[in-house]
Amino acid sequence: DTGVSQDPRHKITKRGQNVTFRCDPISEHNRLYWYRQTLGQGPEFLTYFQNEAQLEKSRLLSDRFSAERPKGSFSTLEIQRTEQGDSAMYLCASMADRGRGSNQPQHFGDGTRLSIL
Amino acid sequence: GNSVTQMEGPVTLSEEAFLTINCTYTATGYPSLFWYVQYPGEGLQLLLKATKADDKGSNKGFEATYRKETTSFHLEKGSVQVSDSAVYFCALSPWGGNQFYFGTGTSLTVIP
Repeated sequence: DTGVSQDPRHKITKRGQNVTFRCDPISEHNRLYWYRQTLGQGPEFLTYFQNEAQLEKSRLLSDRFSAERPKGSFSTLEIQRTEQGDSAMYLCASMADRGRGSNQPQHFGDGTRLSIL
Repeated sequence: GNSVTQMEGPVTLSEEAFLTINCTYTATGYPSLFWYVQYPGEGLQLLLKATKADDKGSNKGFEATYRKETTSFHLEKGSVQVSDSAVYFCALSPWGGNQFYFGTGTSLTVIP
């Protein structure tokens, strides 16, 4: 178990550019979540996948944001035409789905810090 | 709806002091409750959890008891260390739900 891995750890880009982040979950975990965290706040839910299916998206996820999880393994989060307000830490988490109400914890990666110039 | 409210920070304590960080929640049904810790530049790490009323989660000297009657899950530690300095997040997962709901975090600084 190598934990949840995110790449890159830091990304600095100019406003208007596109960026893509990658998340590799714990291998046996079939659920994968993306969160956004700004300074002094808790993680805010963006979207989640059950295997390769994207089952829920937050209203925070504008049409400039897209996430994929091909083959139910790693996931990517892309932000198009970045804006200043996109500057944040983007966290990925995975968990095992053992059925309804299974009470499993989420396991987090170290995040990708995005800075928009 | 589902939400978590944590006490405002930052909290500054001397080494070996007693720690309490308050957390109350609103949830539909019977949620599971969690405390996570975040060190600078890192992601969140699970500290402890409780899955039903009156359960006590514990880890590394930290404890929290699931109190259904007061909808609370306060974090406590009898004697804090400098290494406990971090941000602590209370979270809930509704029974049968798909999302986690996090509080805004409480920053703890322990001074020698």
